[in-house]
Amino acid sequence: AQSVTQPDIHITVSEGASLELRCNYSYGATPYLFWYVQSPGQGLQLLLKYFSGDTLVQGIKGFEAEFKRSQSSFNLRKPSVHWSDAAEYFCAAKAAGNKLTFGGGTRVLVKP
Amino acid sequence: DAGITQSPRHKVTETGTPVTLRCHQTENHRYMYWYRQDPGHGLRLIHYSYGVKDTDKGEVSDGYSVSRSKTEDFLLTLESATSSQTSVYFCAISEGPNEQFFGPGTRLTVL
Repeated sequence: AQSVTQPDIHITVSEGASLELRCNYSYGATPYLFWYVQSPGQGLQLLLKYFSGDTLVQGIKGFEAEFKRSQSSFNLRKPSVHWSDAAEYFCAAKAAGNKLTFGGGTRVLVKP
Repeated sequence: DAGITQSPRHKVTETGTPVTLRCHQTENHRYMYWYRQDPGHGLRLIHYSYGVKDTDKGEVSDGYSVSRSKTEDFLLTLESATSSQTSVYFCAISEGPNEQFFGPGTRLTVL
């Protein structure tokens, strides 16, 4: 069955430090890949997406993600975290058709 | 931001009562989706629509029905609400195989 796994439920990071969120997918072929962010009480906002081509993808708010086919991973990174980055982050994947499959989410806490 | 609104934004109801949630879009996108969000599960697809009067089930469709009589509106109905349907419900839209855009959510509590 197709699935998306985010191994870390919570991550705490100090403001100014780097952040990496892990995402692994299990699909027969390389799916379309997405990262969304959800601030408390809000809907989901798309950070970035990967369809094909360059495996390093730039997104909004200073985020980037790297697709690694050999590891079935699509990890999200930010070099220097701001307090406003405290939120929940969701990795999602889509194969044929329009159905998105989400990971369970990673909640990021930012320490001052 | 994509023009997606959901109503109501919050609702408290009792077990056994019918509930209808509305999603309205101004983007004229073909595809519309209903998800529920529960801790540890991310978002799970309930139903989706690929055109007016064209709908299909998602992974957690039991106890839910949908209707789409106009491009801009997608209704989610709980025929007889149960406590297990307490959740946050999100509507999303997309045009083809590209990214989905999400509404602000509806928090439903079933007592």
